[in-house]
Amino acid sequence: AQKITQTQPGMFVQEKEAVTLDCTYDTSDPSYGLFWYKQPSSGEMIFLIYQGSYDQQNATEGRYSLNFQKARKSANLVISASQLGDSAMYFCAMRERNAGNNRKLIWGLGTSLAVNP
Amino acid sequence: DAGVIQSPRHEVTEMGQEVTLRCKPISGHNSLFWYRQTMMRGLELLIYFNNNVPIDDSGMPEDRFSAKMPNASFSTLKIQPSEPRDSAVYFCASSPGRPQETQYFGPGTRLLVL
Repeated sequence: AQKITQTQPGMFVQEKEAVTLDCTYDTSDPSYGLFWYKQPSSGEMIFLIYQGSYDQQNATEGRYSLNFQKARKSANLVISASQLGDSAMYFCAMRERNAGNNRKLIWGLGTSLAVNP
Repeated sequence: DAGVIQSPRHEVTEMGQEVTLRCKPISGHNSLFWYRQTMMRGLELLIYFNNNVPIDDSGMPEDRFSAKMPNASFSTLKIQPSEPRDSAVYFCASSPGRPQETQYFGPGTRLLVL
């Protein structure tokens, strides 16, 4: 079963508007971390934001925020005031903390975001 | 601070040749990961090291692939012999470990095997 689900293969947003990219996860581990990465067309993978399962507040990093709804097992990325440079592929990933020495991330398949001028 | 450094950035080779990809992790990071990304299969973890020791190589496709980490500042991924289906972007990432364990990626090596 997929542990990270990104249901939106592609999204469009108008420049300067906000956009939400969905991510749901499945784990029985009470301790876990959730990550979002951006991959522009140039190919590099850029870390955006992190949310720990015990964090009391939703994570924010500049124009990025994470809408963390633990009961629903969702960790949606919100990008405010979209810019043309936000056009990229966005990946959600999870690391289960109590997986012992296992430091692997479990990755979603990604959402392609296009920002229209 | 310098990020993860990978070389070469691009590699074009012929089937059957040996390919060596190199990675220098961020100083102080104790985990290193090798990924492969293709359109068909997405992002796949090939192998990762913790404190220079290979922990999980279950993603290594076959014996043609090998990876080493002789010290904390250098790792190689070798393909011998290379095949056209190995064409992909290979990423190296490093992580400082707990508590957050964020992985920071290098720019990738674009490999084309003809």
